[in-house]
Parts: sequence; C-alpha cells; structure tokens
Amino acid sequence: DAGITQSPRHKVTETGTPVTLRCHQTENHRYMYWYRQDPGHGLRLIHYSYGVKDTDKGEVSDGYSVSRSKTEDFLLTLESATSSQTSVYFCAISGARPDTQYFGPGTRLTVL
Amino acid sequence: DQQVKQNSPSLSVQEGRISILNCDYTNSMFDYFLWYKKYPAEGPTFLISISSIKDKNEDGRFTVFLNKSAKHLSLHIVPSQPGDSAVYFCAAFLISSGSARQLTFGSGTQLTVLP
Repeated sequence: DAGITQSPRHKVTETGTPVTLRCHQTENHRYMYWYRQDPGHGLRLIHYSYGVKDTDKGEVSDGYSVSRSKTEDFLLTLESATSSQTSVYFCAISGARPDTQYFGPGTRLTVL
Repeated sequence: DQQVKQNSPSLSVQEGRISILNCDYTNSMFDYFLWYKKYPAEGPTFLISISSIKDKNEDGRFTVFLNKSAKHLSLHIVPSQPGDSAVYFCAAFLISSGSARQLTFGSGTQLTVLP
C-alpha cells in the first residue's frame, strides 16, 4: 500500500467556520490531488499539485484553497465551510507512472 | 458535461459467474483508462488500466476491453467472488501539457456478488 495518510478522518463543523484537511505521503511522489466523493458524481477533482508550491484548480475548486510547502504534505482549506461541502474527501498521489494514482483512506466532513 | 459515464449504478451477479461492468466516454483524446475498486470507508484502490493504443489488458481474473470506435470500455471479472462486492469506478486520464495528470471519474457501479 502506498504511504498516504489523511487527517482528521472524521470532522463535524458548523457553517462559516474554517476547516483544514491534511494529506501526508511517505512516497516522495511529485503529484498530489484532492478529490471529493458525492453520491451520483463519483470522484471530482478539487485541486492538485505538481510540485512544492505548484498547485492548480480542478473541476470543483470554488470555496477551496490548497497549499503545499513540503513534498510530503498537501493541505486543503475550506475558508468558510458551507453545507454543500459536506462530503468525503480523498487525497491521492501519483509518481512516475502516468496511469496510476493511489488514494488515501478519506476524510468524512459534515458541515451543519 | 460528464466525460466519463457509468450508466448502471448497480449490478448483481451470482458467485462463479462473470461480472461485466461498463463505461462510456466522450473525449477521444484520453490516453489511459483505469478501473478502481472501493470498499466502504476506504479509499479507492487501483485495479487495472489500459492504454488507448491497446484493446485488451488482462490481470488474473480481471480483463479490461477498450473499443475506441464506440468510446466504450468494459471490465470483466471471471469468476466473480463475494469479496469482489464493491463500488467500481471507471476513470480516464489525459496527458495535458503543462499540468499534472488528471483523472476523470465515472459515477461508479455497485457490484454485489451473491453467494
């Protein structure tokens, strides 16, 4: 198994509060991704990173920001959480092979 | 605009029989196609992939077929086992210049293998 951890694994928060999710990898992979999974939508890309301090937007980036100050850590921040951001969030990493991404265990976020 | 579609949200199959999961796509520029399996409360795990230049890839009980003219791929599991019960996601990968490798996922198919 690829060395990817996510924290926290579960979080309940209130509308309007800031939330930061952390993804940590031990594989030294260049590419890191944040997805959200919702019923009927599969996994949708929020943001991704192709190196330290190099990030870009994905399909559903509104309301989210990311930072990557070290190779091993990729942070996802909800500046002001909304109920529509209730979801399961997955981090993924990708290395030299172009056809495979490895996923973390997920973070279940509930915004009340 | 869903570029990758899995039109069957669920599929039930008897143990020992073949499971066939289908996926359609609209973007003929995709370079790779992948299948992921997901159990509840876990992250998706990579299962098998196929390059757009091939039409078949096999790995043990799992075979993926790609029909480029129809923009269709399928995953065959033979024989199906109860442990195969999971959600299966089809994904497509596009090598875009100047950006990271982005996967586009279908909405998933819940496979249930009945003992």
